[in-house]
Amino acid sequence: KAGVTQTPRYLIKTRGQQVTLSCSPISGHRSVSWYQQTPGQGLQFLFEYFSETQRNKGNFPGRFSGRQFSNSRSEMNVSTLELGDSALYLCASSLVAAEDTQYFGPGTRLTVL
Amino acid sequence: AQSVSQHNHHVILSEAASLELGCNYSYGGTVNLFWYVQYPGQHLQLLLKYFSGDPLVKGIKGFEAEFIKSKFSFNLRKPSVQWSDTAEYFCAVTVRTGANNLFFGTGTRLTVIP
Repeated sequence: KAGVTQTPRYLIKTRGQQVTLSCSPISGHRSVSWYQQTPGQGLQFLFEYFSETQRNKGNFPGRFSGRQFSNSRSEMNVSTLELGDSALYLCASSLVAAEDTQYFGPGTRLTVL
Repeated sequence: AQSVSQHNHHVILSEAASLELGCNYSYGGTVNLFWYVQYPGQHLQLLLKYFSGDPLVKGIKGFEAEFIKSKFSFNLRKPSVQWSDTAEYFCAVTVRTGANNLFFGTGTRLTVIP
């Protein structure tokens, strides 16, 4: 079974731009979660989607948003990029939403100049 | 608020040495516990997990962890490390409220010297 895939793997943007990242979960998995990884803050939860609905949201500003499609694929969007948004963005999928093991993708490395 | 502490930021060991990485969490309710590993240039992989039952859980590559509820701890152990264990190790918890978001510790970087 293929693992979680994320595209693109690397992205360079400038301040003020917006960006969309994509995640395809493991086949059959219906829950997708997004995390931000930075050297200073570590791994922080962004949001979780299950059956096209956002079930849970972390403590991030409204510039960070996401959605999930009927095939469980998910996208996250960051608008009005700031330098501090430079990070590795990780997507994780699990079979069901609650109390299930999450499997991570390789991440998208976003650099904001 | 829930939090996870990993007190060892960087551990350096020689091959064949024993390993123990500490993990403590703060949450009064029931939790699920995880250890993930991130090898250089690779993505996060699950080492082991504890949901319920025997508090001593065994994972991949000879790793094990023990859940001690009274100490809010879930320490990772390996009796004899190898050079290939060089990686960053993350402890994480989910709280059993129906949500599935992982709270991660800050990670411990392990360097194994051949």
